[in-house]
Amino acid sequence: SQTIHQWPATLVQPVGSPLSLECTVEGTSNPNLYWYRQAAGRGLQLLFYSVGIGQISSEVPQNLSASRPQDRQFILSSKKLLLSDSGFYLCAWSVRSYYTYEQYFGPGTRLTVT
Amino acid sequence: RKEVEQDPGPFNVPEGATVAFNCTYSNSASQSFFWYRQDCRKEPKLLMSVYSSGNEDGRFTAQLNRASQYISLLIRDSKLSDSATYLCVVSRAGTALIFGKGTTLSVSS
Repeated sequence: SQTIHQWPATLVQPVGSPLSLECTVEGTSNPNLYWYRQAAGRGLQLLFYSVGIGQISSEVPQNLSASRPQDRQFILSSKKLLLSDSGFYLCAWSVRSYYTYEQYFGPGTRLTVT
Repeated sequence: RKEVEQDPGPFNVPEGATVAFNCTYSNSASQSFFWYRQDCRKEPKLLMSVYSSGNEDGRFTAQLNRASQYISLLIRDSKLSDSATYLCVVSRAGTALIFGKGTTLSVSS
């Protein structure tokens, strides 16, 4: 069966520091991969998605970037964190089910920028 | 207008009650529809996909009305463990999901 891992689970970083969040998927090949952010009291916002190695689409221009160096690895980065980057960061992967793509989320990283 | 709108609630119901959540979406090109459940400080989990003919999974029934751009979720015989936030989700091209802000359900004994 497929599993998705994210780390770290919790992170506290000062403003201006760099960020690297990692997500890996097991048990599937060539998945679509996604990064979402959920800010306090707000809905989930899609940040990036990838349909293959080195292929990244950005949904919202901001202080973050993403990379996919391997088929089942997706990395979210920032060179300098802002207070507004605080939130719950979720990685997801998708699989085709009938005529639709169902997405499954990792356990998330709760980031607090101080 | 938000792309996916839900009544935020909270819905406070006793155990055993039947509760219905509604959701509307603005983009008629939306192709796929889902309900996710999110517990406090946890990741969203797929509850069920919503098909045009409507579908049922145990105590949960989902309906889709494409003409009215309306999705519903019915929960019968509510359990304490059903307490969570229910997210209505639509997708256009099979890639990006657009999430509603969620409806909070609290089931009490």
